[in-house]
Amino acid sequence: ILNVEQSPQSLHVQEGDSTNFTCSFPSSNFYALHWYRWETAKSPKALFVMTLNGDEKKKGRISATLNTKEGYSYLYIKGSQPEDSATYLCAVREGSSNTGKLIFGQGTTLQVKP
Amino acid sequence: NAGVMQNPRHLVRRRGQEARLRCSPMKGHSHVYWYRQLPEEGLKFMVYLQKENIIDESGMPKERFSAEFPKEGPSILRIQQVVRGDSAAYFCASSPPNQGEGETQYFGPGTRLL
Repeated sequence: ILNVEQSPQSLHVQEGDSTNFTCSFPSSNFYALHWYRWETAKSPKALFVMTLNGDEKKKGRISATLNTKEGYSYLYIKGSQPEDSATYLCAVREGSSNTGKLIFGQGTTLQVKP
Repeated sequence: NAGVMQNPRHLVRRRGQEARLRCSPMKGHSHVYWYRQLPEEGLKFMVYLQKENIIDESGMPKERFSAEFPKEGPSILRIQQVVRGDSAAYFCASSPPNQGEGETQYFGPGTRLL
């Protein structure tokens, strides 16, 4: 059974701090990794999808890397702002198809203090 | 393009009643996924449907739960004879066909079932 682990579970930082969190997954049978941002009372919103070892994606102050050989992905936030406060979810798809279920981690909840 | 719509947003049922949760995917999307978030847990896959077909129901409880995605109209997740343990947030996600390797699932706001 695929198990996706995220750490830390929660994080409190000051405005302006840069931060990063980790998503770990079994490297066998990997197909794609997704990062989502989930604000309270809203829908999870897609940030990145990555499939290739060494992939790096960036959107504004947020970036992500992927290592499929060792089974981890990092999400980085540079110069955190209060509006970055949210839960960040990592999800993995196995197999060989570009469709199908996502296996989610428990999430990392980020709180940025002004 | 309106996002994924779910209704109702909140649903209260007595033990033994039926719950029907509706999901209207984004325009042009033919793939629908249902996920459940139990209290203090992460998002867990339930079922993956395409129009008129169940593709993967490996996450569905064996009894009382069913799902459909008819040719016309929304996808329905049906829970018969609800019990206390069914209390959760139920999320629907949709994706278009032929996205290529980076298939993104777009989430609705969820239905909170009590």
